[in-house]
Amino acid sequence: GAGVSQTPSNKVTEKGKYVELRCDPISGHTALYWYRQSLGQGPEFLIYFQGTGAADDSGLPNDRFFAVRPEGSVSTLKIQRTERGDSAVYLCASSLGARNTEAFFGQGTRLTVV
Amino acid sequence: AQRVTQPEKLLSVFKGAPVELKCNYSYSGSPELFWYVQYSRQRLQLLLRHISRESIKGFTADLNKGETSFHLKKPFAQEEDSAMYYCALQAGTALIFGKGTTLSVSS
Repeated sequence: GAGVSQTPSNKVTEKGKYVELRCDPISGHTALYWYRQSLGQGPEFLIYFQGTGAADDSGLPNDRFFAVRPEGSVSTLKIQRTERGDSAVYLCASSLGARNTEAFFGQGTRLTVV
Repeated sequence: AQRVTQPEKLLSVFKGAPVELKCNYSYSGSPELFWYVQYSRQRLQLLLRHISRESIKGFTADLNKGETSFHLKKPFAQEEDSAMYYCALQAGTALIFGKGTTLSVSS
């Protein structure tokens, strides 16, 4: 594909609901990252996948957040029992490797919890 | 603690003026630093990284370990440079971003 693709671009959900955010990385990129960007802040690391496994999930804020990448390509970020504080832009990025390689970002999914 | 600080939220300059976007970092190891840029309605993209020692779109950045800084500079700003700029530090597998500086270049 042309780049990292994220769907949906916008998501409005009610407090307490479950949401899934999808990321299609650049073909051939083994490394995939999720970041969260709140208003007025820089992107904040959530989780990193190398292939199918979550190599570093230290940035996930709590156990309501979970991400998978079952076939080493598409990834889904799942948020249970959403709270208003989860409202943010969720960014996905992919790269050829974990270090010293350029990370390419998607356009992001703007999540609004009402 | 690992941290990136961009002290300026907004920097406004006139076209042709020099630009310096400040970035300071805190990191115990050997730092790998980057500048990312986000133009209006576009995705975040890499501008430059310190290990490449390159100049992109006229921008340069020098790593100063003594001052723990990685300031982004351009001698003559152009209107198309108006964007949001983020300094980032590679800490393990994650990038740690600063809060960003909006650069506004007017004619």
